[in-house]
Amino acid sequence: KNQVEQSPQSLIILEGKNCTLQCNYTVSPFSNLRWYKQDTGRGPVSLTIMTFSENTKSNGRYTATLDADTKQSSLHITASQLSDSASYICVVSPPNYDKVIFGPGTSLSVIP
Amino acid sequence: KAGVTQTPRYLIKTRGQQVTLSCSPISGHRSVSWYQQTPGQGLQFLFEYFSETQRNKGNFPGRFSGRQFSNSRSEMNVSTLELGDSALYLCASSLHRQETQYFGPGTRLLVL
Repeated sequence: KNQVEQSPQSLIILEGKNCTLQCNYTVSPFSNLRWYKQDTGRGPVSLTIMTFSENTKSNGRYTATLDADTKQSSLHITASQLSDSASYICVVSPPNYDKVIFGPGTSLSVIP
Repeated sequence: KAGVTQTPRYLIKTRGQQVTLSCSPISGHRSVSWYQQTPGQGLQFLFEYFSETQRNKGNFPGRFSGRQFSNSRSEMNVSTLELGDSALYLCASSLHRQETQYFGPGTRLLVL
C-alpha cells in the first residue's frame, strides 16, 4: 500500500478559479511534508515545506494545510493561472533521515 | 547563485551498455539525491549522498550505483542497461539533509 496517496489523479479547471489538491499519508510522525510543482519536462520546484507541528504554510497563491490527526494535507491554489498547469507532488520525509516518500502526483490543467 | 546542473541533458544508449550521469549541486549544498521518473511509476528515489557517503538507497538493483566527490558533485552509473531504464533521471541538492531540495533539469535517457 502506498504510504502517500494523492487525489484527484487529474483535474481541469477554468482560469481564475480556485482548487484544492489532497494528500493522504500513513507515515507518522514525519520530519517534514513538502509540496512540489513540476512542469512538463522539467525538474520539480518546491512550493511549501511544513514540519509535523505546523498546520499551514503559504507561498503566494499557494497555501498548504496539514491535519496531523487525520493525516491529510491540502494544497489550495487561489485565482488559478494558465501557468499553474503542472503536476503537483506531495512528499513526506520520515524521521531519522529515512528515505523520502513521494505521492503519485495530481495533474492540473488550467484552461482559458 | 547557479542552480543544480545535470549533464548530459539527453542520452541515447542501447541495451547492455552502461551510462554515467553527472550532477553539480548548488554551491554550498552538501546533500545530493537522485531520482528516476517514468510515466508509469512516477518519481522514485534512487540514492542520497551526504559528505561523500551514501546515506539512503532506494529499491533498485545493483546495476544502479553512485558516488559523491569532495566538492559535493555526484555521479550515478547504470550498467547493463535495460529498456525499462528509459526515464528522466533527476538530481536534487539541499544544504543539509531533509531540507528543501532544489532539482536540476534532469537527464532524459532513452535505451533502445
